[in-house]
Amino acid sequence: QVQLQESGPGLVKASQTLSLTCTVSGVSISSSGYYWSWIRQHPVKGLEWIGYIYYSGSTYYNPSLKSRAAISGDTSKNQFSLKLSSVTAADTAVYFCAISSYDNSGYRGGFDDWGQGTLVIVSS
Amino acid sequence: DIQLTQSPSSLSASVGDRVTISCRASQSTSNFLHWYQQKPGEAPKLLIYAASSLQSGVPSRFSGGGSRTDFTLTISSLQPEDFATYYCQQSYSTPWTFGQGTKVEIK
Repeated sequence: QVQLQESGPGLVKASQTLSLTCTVSGVSISSSGYYWSWIRQHPVKGLEWIGYIYYSGSTYYNPSLKSRAAISGDTSKNQFSLKLSSVTAADTAVYFCAISSYDNSGYRGGFDDWGQGTLVIVSS
Repeated sequence: DIQLTQSPSSLSASVGDRVTISCRASQSTSNFLHWYQQKPGEAPKLLIYAASSLQSGVPSRFSGGGSRTDFTLTISSLQPEDFATYYCQQSYSTPWTFGQGTKVEIK
């Protein structure tokens, strides 16, 4: 059974860098066939996919974040992390980590498992 | 980016009702379209993947249909635990996107 758990500061000052970690159990983040994503949920704007990392270490980010996001993995701890720089009040949201899968045919599935989410508030 | 538009944004229904939620994509997503249920204070839960495949453990009263740009989520007989917000999501092309959600409330 795959489990994901987010951790990190719940309060970040504007202009600083938000840093969150997702600890994974039940599957290795270095296993092929999985995307490891960060997703956030604004109170008003709904769900927004931030980006992913997969087993090779390759990453992809939502262009809406204007190159402020960086996702990295630590296979020794079975964790992956998000750094979001130059935060503003608009980055206040609940942040989730999640896993999705892909197969040899190129099919990409939905987000099968999620962390419980962590609220990050950006203060001025 | 592929825009997903859900309708309605909210609906009121009674226990036992048949409920259908629509998700329309701004361009074809093939069958890379998934549905989630979210209750307050919880993470979204995957219900349907690949447009019509039921995720393991999800009750059979949930079903999905459609292809390319038009998709539906149907709850055949609404149960008390189904009152929640439902989202569609596409993984056809990056950036992956979500619909704005449909809130199902008790009538």
